[in-house]
Amino acid sequence: RKEVEQDPGPFNVPEGATVAFNCTYSNSASQSFFWYRQDCRKEPKLLMSVYSSGNEDGRFTAQLNRASQYISLLIRDSKLSDSATYLCVVGGMNRDDKIIFGKGTRLHILP
Amino acid sequence: DVKVTQSSRYLVKRTGEKVFLECVQDMDHENMFWYRQDPGLGLRLIYFSYDVKMKEKGDIPEGYSVSREKKERFSLILESASTNQTSMYLCASSDRTSGRETQYFGPGTRLLVL
Repeated sequence: RKEVEQDPGPFNVPEGATVAFNCTYSNSASQSFFWYRQDCRKEPKLLMSVYSSGNEDGRFTAQLNRASQYISLLIRDSKLSDSATYLCVVGGMNRDDKIIFGKGTRLHILP
Repeated sequence: DVKVTQSSRYLVKRTGEKVFLECVQDMDHENMFWYRQDPGLGLRLIYFSYDVKMKEKGDIPEGYSVSREKKERFSLILESASTNQTSMYLCASSDRTSGRETQYFGPGTRLLVL
């Protein structure tokens, strides 16, 4: 099993639709989880952290399922500006723990 | 706002040249990282540093070296550039005091080795 695995996509979704991505991770001791967004030819930027109880930021909802070792990102009422690659990131709590980036899921919002 | 800057956005070099990529962060972060990103391969960690004068190998250190003489500056060096080092190079910094590490990236340097 790869350390962090994502469906590469692309997901082609009409504007206004709801889209969900999953990301699985192999290290059950992982403690920190994030979603980053990367626009074409730009650097990755933090979208949101993922907390054990799940968390929401506007149209974005992130959830963690420790038993099945996956995190998810839900985007409601998608906008054209949501088109980007979404990177799943998993790490530990100690400084020596590796931070692992997934390869990303490409999302295209269609007008 | 955290700001991470990289010395060049685009760079063209010839095979065998020595290449310096510089990264500066202004948030007094302890940790700094160098990645390369290639289509289909995602982000791969080259080197990282948790303190001045300190460096650790990442997953793909071969052909690279680094220098951290000051806390805010982390340099990546390609001793003798090769065509397979053509890539997007991303620098990042983080502050691990909270126990949840968020990495902040610079804008990247697109390096083409001819």
